[in-house]
Amino acid sequence: AQSVTQLDSQVPVFEEAPVELRCNYSSSVSVYLFWHVQYPNQGLQLLLKYLSGSTLVKGINGFEAEFNKSQTSFHLRKPSVHISDTAEYFCAVSDRADYKLSFGAGTTVTVRA
Amino acid sequence: DAMVIQNPRYQVTQFGKPVTLSCSQTLNHNVMYWYQQKSSQAPKLLFHYYDKDFNNEADTPDNFQSRRPNTSFCFLDIRSPGLGDAAMYLCATSRDIRGLPYNEQFFGPGTRLTVL
Repeated sequence: AQSVTQLDSQVPVFEEAPVELRCNYSSSVSVYLFWHVQYPNQGLQLLLKYLSGSTLVKGINGFEAEFNKSQTSFHLRKPSVHISDTAEYFCAVSDRADYKLSFGAGTTVTVRA
Repeated sequence: DAMVIQNPRYQVTQFGKPVTLSCSQTLNHNVMYWYQQKSSQAPKLLFHYYDKDFNNEADTPDNFQSRRPNTSFCFLDIRSPGLGDAAMYLCATSRDIRGLPYNEQFFGPGTRLTVL
């Protein structure tokens, strides 16, 4: 079984500043990794995913994440945030033999002017 | 546009009164999922259908049931809602073929259930 830990529950950040959201996972097998974003009262939208290959993954809205197998991490970054990036962000892991997602508890990002 | 639709967006029911939430998809995906998301928590998988095969998570209460009459529709039935069942319920779909790499799950906007 796999699990996901998001190390920060709340991240306040000023507009145009960089942001990093931390995610660590535990699994005994190879995994796929994901970041989703959830805007208020909406469903989840996929930001990016790591399946294989390059450890630096680029996603939508200027986000990127780096897979670090030795540290079992998949941290999400954006060099310059906008007010519209205010949302909840979920890291998720899927066992390669099982297509179900296990989500972290989420990180609330609040961008201030 | 192809999408995942959930109706209603907001549902209010009374304690113990059965309620059904619906999900439809125009993506022609073969897998459909139901998640429960309580306030400030991660989505938790309740069950999923892989084609017509129903797969229940081990810790999903018996109070929750699901039906999938055809590829496009999936229903979540809560037989006797309790106050603790108040949550956002998310439907998702994916096109999965066994043995091939993971495919993205597409989420609907969710139904927020209030239990009075």
